[in-house]
Amino acid sequence: AQSVAQPEDQVNVAEGNPLTVKCTYSVSGNPYLFWYVQYPNRGLQFLLKYITGDNLVKGSYGFEAEFNKSQTSFHLKKPSALVSDSALYFCAVRDRDTGRRALTFGSGTRLQVQP
Amino acid sequence: ETGVTQTPRHLVMGMTNKKSLKCEQHLGHNAMYWYKQSAKKPLELMFVYSLEERVENNSVPSRFSPECPNSSHLFLHLHTLQPEDSALYLCASSAAGTGDTDTQYFGPGTRLTVL
Repeated sequence: AQSVAQPEDQVNVAEGNPLTVKCTYSVSGNPYLFWYVQYPNRGLQFLLKYITGDNLVKGSYGFEAEFNKSQTSFHLKKPSALVSDSALYFCAVRDRDTGRRALTFGSGTRLQVQP
Repeated sequence: ETGVTQTPRHLVMGMTNKKSLKCEQHLGHNAMYWYKQSAKKPLELMFVYSLEERVENNSVPSRFSPECPNSSHLFLHLHTLQPEDSALYLCASSAAGTGDTDTQYFGPGTRLTVL
């Protein structure tokens, strides 16, 4: 079984400050990990993914995420938040050892960046 | 987002109606997915098609009937729905079996309201 936890329903940060959106996962094998962002009345947009190799993954719009195997975490980060980053963020996992196509998503974290 | 399109964007239907949701992908992918996104619930995977064959069906009620006539098109046929089926229905596609991590790309969704 695979699962994802996003412990914060909402994260508030001031514009220009660094932001972190937390994600922990559980898989029986090795994970593929993803971050998606959803703006109001839109579908999910792919931000970045971890496959293997470097634990720090860089993605779109200045976002990055750090894979930590011992803590089974994949937190999303950005050094300097923008008001336009305000959106709903989803972490997702797929167990690459099972052959299943399915992604399991977290419940989402709403990021609010204040001017 | 234009890589995966969905029509209609909004749909209101009565419980006795029959309607269909359409998804088209222009990315050359060979796997397609239907997800349901309800308020305050994680995304729920409904169906997965790989090479036009249904490979996953996550205990979805029979009032939802998927169809994948070719690798570019995916339909979700709806009949005798219930008010609790009101949600955002998201379609996604990916390049399965190519050594890719199966990164899924999403359409904008169809907002369905069942009266």
